[in-house]
Formats: sequence, C-alpha cells, structure tokens
Amino acid sequence: EAGVAQSPRYKIIEKRQSVAFWCNPISGHATLYWYQQILGQGPKLLIQFQNNGVVDDSQLPKDRFSAERLKGVDSTLKIQPAKLEDSAVYLCASSLPGQGWSEKLFFGSGTQLSVL
Amino acid sequence: GESVGLHLPTLSVQEGDNSIINCAYSNSASDYFIWYKQESGKGPQFIIDIRSNMDKRQGQRVTVLLNKTVKHLSLQIAATQPGDSAVYFCAALLSGNTPLVFGKGTRLSVIA
Repeated sequence: EAGVAQSPRYKIIEKRQSVAFWCNPISGHATLYWYQQILGQGPKLLIQFQNNGVVDDSQLPKDRFSAERLKGVDSTLKIQPAKLEDSAVYLCASSLPGQGWSEKLFFGSGTQLSVL
Repeated sequence: GESVGLHLPTLSVQEGDNSIINCAYSNSASDYFIWYKQESGKGPQFIIDIRSNMDKRQGQRVTVLLNKTVKHLSLQIAATQPGDSAVYFCAALLSGNTPLVFGKGTRLSVIA
C-alpha cells in the first residue's frame, strides 16, 4: 500500500515570500490533516478535512495560511507571506474513518520549510 | 481542551534492556491515546493505541499501560534494539470530533 506522499521535501524561502506544499493521501482515506511540527516539539494540527470539507481549522493562522482539498483527494497548504516563525516541518496525514475505535493517522515524511 | 506532556525529553538505554517512556495528560475526559515513533527525517509512525476502557494493551515488543486515576500512560519496549532509537510521542484525543493533541516527545537513544 502506498503511503502519504508529500512534496517538496525541502523548501528554503525568504520572509514575505509565498510557498505551497502538496499532499496526496492514501487511496480511499477520506480524512486529511495538515500538521506543523516546530523543531523539538510535537505536531500541532493546522487543519482537518473530511473529504473536501473543513472539519477543524481553529489553529490555522488564516491571515497567512490557506489550504484546500479539491475533489476530496489531494490537498495543498499555502503560506503567504511567510514569517521567520513559520520555519518548521509541515506534515500531512490521512486516516480511514469507520475503523471502529481506532483513530490511527498515517503520516507523510513532511516538507521541511526554512524561512530566512 | 487537552494538553499532553512527557516526563523526560531524553532517555538512554542499553541494548537489550527494557525501555519505559512516560506521558501525562490533563483532561480526564480523554478517551483515546496513541503512541507514535518518529525517526530522523521521517513522519511519525504508529506504534500502538489504547482506549480509556482498557488498562493495558500489548503489541509486538511494546506494551502501553494506562492509569486513568493519575492521568498517566506509559510505553514499554522490551529488549530495546538500536532500531528503536527515535523520538516517541504520545497523543490524546477527547471524545467526539476533536483533534489528536501531541506531547513534545522523548528522544530514545539505544547504546550498543
């Protein structure tokens, strides 16, 4: 089974520039998540999609971050304009609802963003 | 809400010994807990999970113990191997459609 695919693997930009990340979840997974992981910390949820609808975006800095999931499959996360504190690994995860009591998330390898 | 904390940021163990990684959570209403392993340059990988109606769950070389009285859970790794070296995260979930809340992680180093 193919895992969660993310690109690019690394990105270096200057502050105030814009950047976009792409995610392709595991086939058939209806739920997709974007997490931000700052160095030395655990992942923090930015946004959760169920199919192409937003379930939770309460922690997404909406003045600069946006995300979409067209057709309920692939998703893109955009930052515009970027700030120094946005330097982090951006992880995409997906899950298959209806697995009973398990809430297992499958993560991609992430995009490491450095804002200079 | 929920907050999750790990007791030790780093842990070093001798190869072959057992490892115990501890985690505390704040909300007694949390009803699902999960452990992830994250190797350098990779995303978190599922290890084991447990519901609040259980005290213990075992997998292959791993055991999760849940103590709801003191809001504490632990991950035990038997016969620790060099490949177990990674950062381990616990995460908790309140009932309903709420997101997983992750702790900061414990870095496990295995000494050969």
